[in-house]
Amino acid sequence: DTGVSQNPRHKITKRGQNVTFRCDPISEHNRLYWYRQTLGQGPEFLTYFQNEAQLEKSRLLSDRFSAERPKGSFSTLEIQRTEQGDSAMYLCASSLFVGATDTQYFGPGTRLTVL
Amino acid sequence: DAKTTQPNSMESNEEEPVHLPCNHSTISGTDYIHWYRQLPSQGPEYVIHGLTSNVNNRMASLAIAEDRKSSTLILHRATLRDAAVYYCILRDSGNTPLVFGKGTRLSVIA
Repeated sequence: DTGVSQNPRHKITKRGQNVTFRCDPISEHNRLYWYRQTLGQGPEFLTYFQNEAQLEKSRLLSDRFSAERPKGSFSTLEIQRTEQGDSAMYLCASSLFVGATDTQYFGPGTRLTVL
Repeated sequence: DAKTTQPNSMESNEEEPVHLPCNHSTISGTDYIHWYRQLPSQGPEYVIHGLTSNVNNRMASLAIAEDRKSSTLILHRATLRDAAVYYCILRDSGNTPLVFGKGTRLSVIA
């Protein structure tokens, strides 16, 4: 399968713990996006990278959230001191941006439950 | 980003055409119209996008009004696999993220 992969698929943690999610984009895609989705809502943008540079961060991305894409390939999203409100599906998408717009390909998501 | 308005839900019979409307009266001249869909328990999936002219691909057709203030996603023959939430999104360039609304939940009846 050459699509976007995310690990783990499910994560249950206790409030206050740190968690890290990984996203492996489609090979050769230069852009990588992170979104968060809660039940009944559409996905909400968190941040995105072009190669290894983080170009934009949403106001939703509090100081407890950090994302990296060290070599312009895979990316990690870390949440420190998790809160119950962080419970959501975390989606990753990648794209090949070469002009005016791009098509984003989404992974299956990581479902986080904070107890 | 300009906002879009979609019906909360729609229903279709299997193998019938489906027309999913989207209103975007405040669209700007540089906004692309994107459609994504999300099947149950999956991440969103790209369907189609366009700027001014109608577009066709293997999944669907996109009909854009002449004034660009509305558009319609057309599924030519709905199948059970097309049951999903369909999102209509305006995006002024590739340098802005996708802004999802609540979309239209399409149910397909066998």
